[in-house]
Amino acid sequence: AQKITQTQPGMFVQEKEAVTLDCTYDTSDPSYGLFWYKQPSSGEMIFLIYQGSYDQQNATEGRYSLNFQKARKSANLVISASQLGDSAMYFCAIWAGTSYGKLTFGQGTILTVHP
Amino acid sequence: SQTIHQWPATLVQPVGSPLSLECTVEGTSNPNLYWYRQAAGRGLQLLFYSVGIGQISSEVPQNLSASRPQDRQFILSSKKLLLSDSGFYLCAWSGRVGRLKSGELFFGEGSRLTVL
Repeated sequence: AQKITQTQPGMFVQEKEAVTLDCTYDTSDPSYGLFWYKQPSSGEMIFLIYQGSYDQQNATEGRYSLNFQKARKSANLVISASQLGDSAMYFCAIWAGTSYGKLTFGQGTILTVHP
Repeated sequence: SQTIHQWPATLVQPVGSPLSLECTVEGTSNPNLYWYRQAAGRGLQLLFYSVGIGQISSEVPQNLSASRPQDRQFILSSKKLLLSDSGFYLCAWSGRVGRLKSGELFFGEGSRLTVL
């Protein structure tokens, strides 16, 4: 079985600064996918970024980038130039091997962006 | 484009009453379908997933059941609700292996259930 650990219950950042949200994962399967989702107070789950275990380069999507360190089993999310609208809960998730599509989620990190 | 809808958005039910949450997907065929539950301030827990009509797999033992009567319809049910069933329920779909590279899940708007 796979596992996601997010050790930061809450993070604070000043508007326009960068912030890193930590995520470590555990799986014995060489084939896996890592995701970050954003959940605003409305409850919807918004897909941010994906990293496959065989991808050679770190994923980037606009202001979001994934710092993928395979040997350390970490997949940290970096948000550059934070905006007030980035305040939300952020979840790291993984599927591995035959569990393709069945995501295991971490406990989440609440990000608060201050003006 | 594909869309996913679930309803009702909010539900307050007494202990022991039945439950039915419905989810439909449009714009895609033969999707994988999922029900997740999120307890207050916590991560998401996979409850059920389905790879086709009538094919349901349960991930955790519980008071709930799921059914898939049509290709793009997924229903979460209970005959008698417990207090511990309270939470935020999210339906999601994903494409088949090879159709969507990443296995990304697309979520519905969620249904907030309060059992009193």
